[in-house]
Amino acid sequence: TQLLEQSPQFLSIQEGENLTVYCNSSSVFSSLQWYRQEPGEGPVLLVTVVTGGEVKKLKRLTFQFGDARKDSSLHITAAQPGDTGLYHCAGVNNNDMRFGAGTRLTVKP
Amino acid sequence: NAGVTQTPKFQVLKTGQSMTLQCAQDMNHEYMSWYRQDPGMGLRLIHYSVGAGITDQGEVPNGYNVSRSTTEDFPLRLLSAAPSQTSVYFCASSYLPGTSGSADTQYFGPGTRLTVL
Repeated sequence: TQLLEQSPQFLSIQEGENLTVYCNSSSVFSSLQWYRQEPGEGPVLLVTVVTGGEVKKLKRLTFQFGDARKDSSLHITAAQPGDTGLYHCAGVNNNDMRFGAGTRLTVKP
Repeated sequence: NAGVTQTPKFQVLKTGQSMTLQCAQDMNHEYMSWYRQDPGMGLRLIHYSVGAGITDQGEVPNGYNVSRSTTEDFPLRLLSAAPSQTSVYFCASSYLPGTSGSADTQYFGPGTRLTVL
């Protein structure tokens, strides 16, 4: 059983559509991170959220940390083919980092 | 800076063989960790270290050993490889979490793809 339930696992959409990826847990985290991974490479950090209710924006990407710090979401507006990749959420408590199963996003031109 | 480097990039082993996956970082990070990535399961923490001479187990430590003799290097040893250890292995490093407990940016290496026959 994953500590962090990430959904959906696969997502295939057309360019210009919006999408949301969810990351849920019954555990409280001191912070939560979102990473993006390209084929053949390691994950690269997109954002860290720390405060319950926090919202961070990175161009067309919006990240939200739940009020109770147990869940998070990643929303992409007007997706582009360059957004294609594997997205991970990771919950952190001190030195223990737990990842969700990942969401493989494909954006078709 | 080279960042986090891993060698080898690919490796094929027979069941029962041993090998060491190398990881090095040149960012003077205290925290280093090893993950394995399997389809549908995400990244799972194997072992981590918060500084030279200090290591601890993660989520899936069985079958793996680590040591941290220097700040820069954090090798992962498979003493007797098993087919269940076929996976992609990633090493990562970062500064230690802040006083609030929030994580710093983890920098990942390019990965080692291991196949155990």
